[in-house]
Amino acid sequence: EAAVTQSPRSKVAVTGGKVTLSCHQTNNHDYMYWYRQDTGHGLRLIHYSYVADSTEKGDIPDGYKASRPSQENFSLILELASLSQTAVYFCASSGLGGRLQNTLYFGAGTRLSVL
Amino acid sequence: GDSVTQTEGQVTVSESKSLIINCTYSTTSIAYPNLFWYVRYPGEGLQLLLKVITAGQKGSSRGFEATYNKETTSFHLQKASVQESDSAVYYCALGEGTGNTRKLIFGLGTTLQVQP
Repeated sequence: EAAVTQSPRSKVAVTGGKVTLSCHQTNNHDYMYWYRQDTGHGLRLIHYSYVADSTEKGDIPDGYKASRPSQENFSLILELASLSQTAVYFCASSGLGGRLQNTLYFGAGTRLSVL
Repeated sequence: GDSVTQTEGQVTVSESKSLIINCTYSTTSIAYPNLFWYVRYPGEGLQLLLKVITAGQKGSSRGFEATYNKETTSFHLQKASVQESDSAVYYCALGEGTGNTRKLIFGLGTTLQVQP
C-alpha cells in the first residue's frame, strides 16, 4: 500500500518563528508536492519537486521554502511564520507515466495555527 | 491559466436519494487534460475517487460516476443513491503540465452531507 506520512499532524506556532513541516513517502515516486487548503480557496500548490535536490515554485510560493534531500523526503519551511499562513497543509506524491500519470497520493494533512 | 469550478459550499441530500456535483474546467495549456475526482473523509487526507484521461469516457468507483465531456468542458459527479458514509468533501481537479511541470489544479471543494 502506497503511503505518504506527514509530521507533525498539528502545530501551533508563534508569529515570526520558524516552522518545518515534514513529509515522507514510501511509494518510490519521483514527484512530491505541498498544497495548502483554506476555506474558500480549495487546495493551492506551494512547491513541488520532480527529483531529489531540486524544487520548483508552485502557484503560491511566497513565504515558503522547500527542501528535497532525498526521493523519499520533502519538507516545507516557513522561515518567518505569519498569521496568514494558518491553514491545513497537504503533502502528496505522484509517479511518472502510464496509469499513474498525474494521480496524486496524499498524506493526512498538517493543521498549522500561527498565533 | 487553467481553472476548475465546482458546486460551491455544502450539499445536503437524504440517504438513498440521487446526487450530482457539478464541475466545469477551463484550460489554455493542454487540449485534453486528465480529469479527477478526489474525496476527503473526516480526519483523513484526500484520496482518489475516480479518474478519466480520455474525452468522452466515463469513470466510476464506489457507485459514483463522472463523464468527461469535451464539448461542455464538464466532469460532473453523480450517484444514484447516496449513503450516510458518503458524507465527505469532494474535489474536482484537472492535470496539467508535461515533462517536469506536472501538477493538479483543484476546485474549491463541495461538502456533501447525507442525512439519514
